[in-house]
Amino acid sequence: ETGVTQSPTHLIKTRGQQVTLRCSSQSGHNTVSWYQQALGQGPQFIFQYYREEENGRGNFPPRFSGLQFPNYSSELNVNALELDDSALYLCASSFGKRDYEQYFGPGTRLTVT
Amino acid sequence: GQNIDQPTEMTATEGAIVQINCTYQTSGFNGLFWYQQHAGEAPTFLSYNVLDGLEEKGRFSSFLSRSKGYSYLLLKELQMKDSASYLCAVRDLDSGAGSYQLTFGKGTKLSVIP
Repeated sequence: ETGVTQSPTHLIKTRGQQVTLRCSSQSGHNTVSWYQQALGQGPQFIFQYYREEENGRGNFPPRFSGLQFPNYSSELNVNALELDDSALYLCASSFGKRDYEQYFGPGTRLTVT
Repeated sequence: GQNIDQPTEMTATEGAIVQINCTYQTSGFNGLFWYQQHAGEAPTFLSYNVLDGLEEKGRFSSFLSRSKGYSYLLLKELQMKDSASYLCAVRDLDSGAGSYQLTFGKGTKLSVIP
């Protein structure tokens, strides 16, 4: 176990709805990165938060947004859900935005119908 | 942008040795990672190479050649529990944000058979 937790474990939403996923980072870690992993694919970088600010973003539309709180936990929000948003959403925590080792949480499996 | 290529699937026999290759093209290389991911679980860190050469860690070794844009993960004395997907990931520096971004390959699904 890495000490990174995510909630919920599974989620089913309808197209057009909004969803919020949560991540608690490992103790002492101040950086959280979010990834989307479609079935049979590698994780794709969505964005990273460092000390409550977005610090790098992948090729995802603005309807993917996030927050990081003073305790370094984080949320991923997705608006106007599309069928292609169905995936495993992973968060990973690290210490510092240049730390090479990231610890992944167990993920949230999102299904959009 | 980055392009990372690794075989989709491999099969090997228990007790044998298997090598999983990864080739990459990147604009700002700053390290290569290998992760193991069992079905339905999160990736777990296996190795990190930033300089050319071989890094050995128990039954697992990882090799990097930066000039060739090439890495491999070597698994020795295969066990049934090694059946998993193996993800190659390249890190490069987002100079604007001052942070590193990790780009993953699609993963190689390894099946270990008796």
